[in-house]
Amino acid sequence: GIQVEQSPPDLILQEGANSTLRCNFSDSVNNLQWFHQNPWGQLINLFYIPSGTKQNGRLSATTVATERYSLLYISSSQTTDSGVYFCAVPNAGGTSYGKLTFGQGTILTVHP
Amino acid sequence: EAQVTQNPRYLITVTGKKLTVTCSQNMNHEYMSWYRQDPGLGLRQIYYSMNVEVTDKGDVPEGYKVSRKEKRNFPLILESPSPNQTSLYFCASSFIGLTSGSDEQYFGPGTRLTVT
Repeated sequence: GIQVEQSPPDLILQEGANSTLRCNFSDSVNNLQWFHQNPWGQLINLFYIPSGTKQNGRLSATTVATERYSLLYISSSQTTDSGVYFCAVPNAGGTSYGKLTFGQGTILTVHP
Repeated sequence: EAQVTQNPRYLITVTGKKLTVTCSQNMNHEYMSWYRQDPGLGLRQIYYSMNVEVTDKGDVPEGYKVSRKEKRNFPLILESPSPNQTSLYFCASSFIGLTSGSDEQYFGPGTRLTVT
């Protein structure tokens, strides 16, 4: 099955700093999603980004499908950004839906 | 508001006492699935459903049952829970993509289950 690797595994920031999280995947995909798991355990959709670049406030994401990676940028980080960030891709053999394979996550801690 | 809901959010139960975790979505999605999340193991799919009355096993189906009698609902049933089913459970849903063009998956808020 498809392999998804995220880096770095852990990231500690001071409030106001910027960061870049990376997601590499081993095969062609038709979609990619970024999630934030907050300290209460909820999985929050951040981006659905099969290719190209999207922005939502202080967050933006870029997927380069031909090179099999995606980047999540967090600017001017806030303590509420703390949690685990996951990227996930469908593992359904060429279809664009189905079981998502998640990376192992990046644990982000933002200190005030 | 478009959402996936799960109930209960927290449950502590004893070994062998049957329980059901409900999942409902209001987005008319065809595809629904259940995952469990465990430390060190990540999120693993339990069961999924492509539409009403169409269900299939995921990676870790043992000890679980599901049904899809209505498009919006996809309950997870533990007939005889055991301590190794203590976990954080998520329900998810999406379009299949052929109808809407967007197969973005949406997750419920999670159910923390403890089996003693």
